[in-house]
This record gives sequence, structure tokens and C-alpha cells, in this order.
Amino acid sequence: DAKTTQPPSMDCAEGRAANLPCNHSTISGNEYVYWYRQIHSQGPQYIIHGLKNNETNEMASLIITEDRKSSTLILPHATLRDTAVYYCIVRPLYNFNKFYFGSGTKLNVKP
Amino acid sequence: GAVVSQHPSRVICKSGTSVKIECRSLDFQATTMFWYRQFPKQSLMLMATSNEGSKATYEQGVEKDKFLINHASLTLSTLTVTSAHPEDSSFYICSARDPRAGGRYEQFFGPGTRLTVL
Repeated sequence: DAKTTQPPSMDCAEGRAANLPCNHSTISGNEYVYWYRQIHSQGPQYIIHGLKNNETNEMASLIITEDRKSSTLILPHATLRDTAVYYCIVRPLYNFNKFYFGSGTKLNVKP
Repeated sequence: GAVVSQHPSRVICKSGTSVKIECRSLDFQATTMFWYRQFPKQSLMLMATSNEGSKATYEQGVEKDKFLINHASLTLSTLTVTSAHPEDSSFYICSARDPRAGGRYEQFFGPGTRLTVL
């Protein structure tokens, strides 16, 4: 299973865009990239996922590099409520039961 | 969206006793549920995959006799920590896949259960 590498923490000013990077250099062609976040002492919340094209939804945008070895989650206008640990996960296409969480990035949104 | 609940949210027990944690899918039927454990300041670790009507599949290193999983219905999975010890103190989180989500295969997570073993 492909592993992910994320910076342990990042700061972002409220109202600015938060760009969270993830490295998944060993990803294979049939593996998806998922992003979840976990607010303190709660269960993780789904944000977005993609295979190779960039994706956007009401919460965020996901930019995947052409070689698929890394991706960036973008929160366009971060608020204090976006303070959380953000996890980048790689899921095999044909083994949808396997969600292995890496260490994640603690995003601190500051006023 | 799909909602997953857990009960209890917190439990404190004495060493040597058993504790049961319930995980319910409230507005969908989940043929597959998952159990994770999270120690302080660490990431989630997948413990086992729970399939309705069949035995759970445990991840390597997880003792199946200590962490008993039962998935008796399409909306309920239970995790029983048997003969709990202080090192079992952790945050236990369940999740479920909503078959209505189609190709997204996302997992919906419960709010977690904080277990403290004295």
C-alpha cells in the first residue's frame, strides 16, 4: 500500500487560502487519494477524493500533480472552524476497505 | 449525509472487566463497518473490518480474542474489549460505508468512544 507524507503542522490566517501538501510518491495507477479531517476528539470527516483529475466541491479543491506523486488540498477561505488535523489517504481501487491513515497535518487557523 | 453514532461516548472501567462499544448506522444499512483505535497525539489505526453476518477480519497485530467484534445486523456493530487493562485506554472510532455513495467508497465515521481503564 502506498504511504503518504505530510508536514506535521501548518499555520494559516483566517480568510486566506490554506494549501495542505501530501506526498504519495509510491502511488500506483489504480489508487485514489482521499482527504479527511479530524477536529479534536471527534471522528474524521470526509472532505474530497480524486484519482488523477483535479476535483472541487463545496468544502475544498484537490489538485493532483500530473505524475500523481503528490497532491494539495486547498481550503479557499479558511475559518477558525477549519482548525483540525488533515489526513491524506491513498486507497487501492479494488480494496476499498483499506483506509490507512498517516500522521496528518495539524492546521492552525489564526485570527 | 450518512450518520454513524457510537455509544457510549466515554467509559471508565476497572482493570480486568469487559467493555462493549456500539456503532450504529442511523440512516443507511452498512454491510461493512470498521473499527479504529487512536492513542493520544497519534493517527488512527485500523483494527478490524466487520462484515454483517460473518466473522470480522483483523489487522495484523490485533488480538481477535481480546477485541471481539459482532456485526449482527445491517445497522449495528459492537466491539467488546475483554479483560481490559490500562494499556487498552484509547479513543475507539468506528466507521461504515454507505452503499448509496456509489463509486466514492468513502467511510462515514462515528464520534468515537473514549475508554479509560483504571
